[in-house]
Order: sequence, then C-alpha cells, then structure tokens
Amino acid sequence: EAQVTQNPRYLITVTGKKLTVTCSQNMNHEYMSWYRQDPGLGLRQIYYSMNVEVTDKGDVPEGYKVSRKEKRNFPLILESPSPNQTSLYFCASSFPGRPNTEAFFGQGTRLTVV
Amino acid sequence: TQLLEQSPQFLSIQEGENLTVYCNSSSVFSSLQWYRQEPGEGPVLLVTVVTGGEVKKLKRLTFQFGDARKDSSLHITAAQPGDTGLYLCADDSNAGNNRKLIWGLGTSLAVNP
Repeated sequence: EAQVTQNPRYLITVTGKKLTVTCSQNMNHEYMSWYRQDPGLGLRQIYYSMNVEVTDKGDVPEGYKVSRKEKRNFPLILESPSPNQTSLYFCASSFPGRPNTEAFFGQGTRLTVV
Repeated sequence: TQLLEQSPQFLSIQEGENLTVYCNSSSVFSSLQWYRQEPGEGPVLLVTVVTGGEVKKLKRLTFQFGDARKDSSLHITAAQPGDTGLYLCADDSNAGNNRKLIWGLGTSLAVNP
C-alpha cells in the first residue's frame, strides 16, 4: 500500500528538549516536504527536499532542521523546541517536476511544547 | 504573494442537502487541486483541474474551474455524513525546484445524520 508514515502521532514535550519527527514513504518519490497546520494560518511549508542530500527552506523554516540521507526518509528535527512550535505537522511526498500529480500526506504529528 | 480565499469557512447541513463551496485566488492558478482532510488525518487529493472552464465529476462531487482560472467551486449533491471534513483548495505552483502547494484555509463541513 502506497503510504507516508509519520511518527509519533502525538507528542508532548518541554521547551528546549530536542526532538525528531520521522517521515518515511514507500513510493520512491524524489520530492518530500514538511508542512505545519495552524488555525487561521492554514498549511505552511517548512522545508522541502528535491532528492537525497538536497534540501531547502520553505516559508517558515526558523527553528527547524531536516536531513535527507536516504530517498525514503525525511526527518524533521527541532533542536530546541519552543511553545510557538506547538502545531500539527504533516510530511508529504510526490514526484517533482510533474505538474498536476498527487501529493501524498502522512497522518500528521500533533506536537505540544510546554 | 498569492492568496487563496475559501468560503464559507464553516458549513453545517443535514444529510441529503446540496452544498457548494468556493475557492478564489488573487492571481491565476497554475493548476488547482482540491483535497479533503478528515479529522486526525492528512489531506487526500480529490481532483486536479487545469484548464479554464473545466468541469470534473467524482461521484456526487462536481468541480468547476473558472474560465479565467482564478476561481473554482465544489458542489456536493445529497451530502452524506461521510462527506464531513475540511475541504482545502491548493495551487500546485511548482515554482522552480520547489513543488510547493499554496493552500486556502479550507471549508469545514459537517453533515449531520
């Protein structure tokens, strides 16, 4: 089954404690990205990756890091989480450079930073 | 910066009713995608429209793309509780190397039995 898998689904952490949200896809997609979804602000792109070892900032990259060492995995790293990073996070993957193709999303990670 | 406006923001109807939701852009869409997001899940693609004036049907859902490619509508006939969710429109901007989706805020639909 084609899918994007995120872990964990829910996470409560304290300010400053480093955390990683994992994302894995099984569709051999080159393109992967991270979004955060907030009430009144919608979905905003954090980082994206065109392929292995190729990553770049999206619209709201501050406070986040990513890595792409393997094609299937694209973890999101919060080195020192703060309460304003409390949000619902989604990982997505697709084929790049092909317009109108489907973006597949993970089930989301609900993060609370206290 | 492109802005996508969706209306209405919230909609609560009874099973069997018809409804229409709208998506308007401040600039011409590259191509428009409609997604549905159910509570606790990620968005799932419903349809992509590309050509001005295009109409696509997906069972009880009818999608229209405006002639000028700046607006779109989603019409649901005889809504069912399973249609409940957040309906999102997105512009598949495919800007350079970044296949970024630009999102509206969505219409939250509740269909009551």
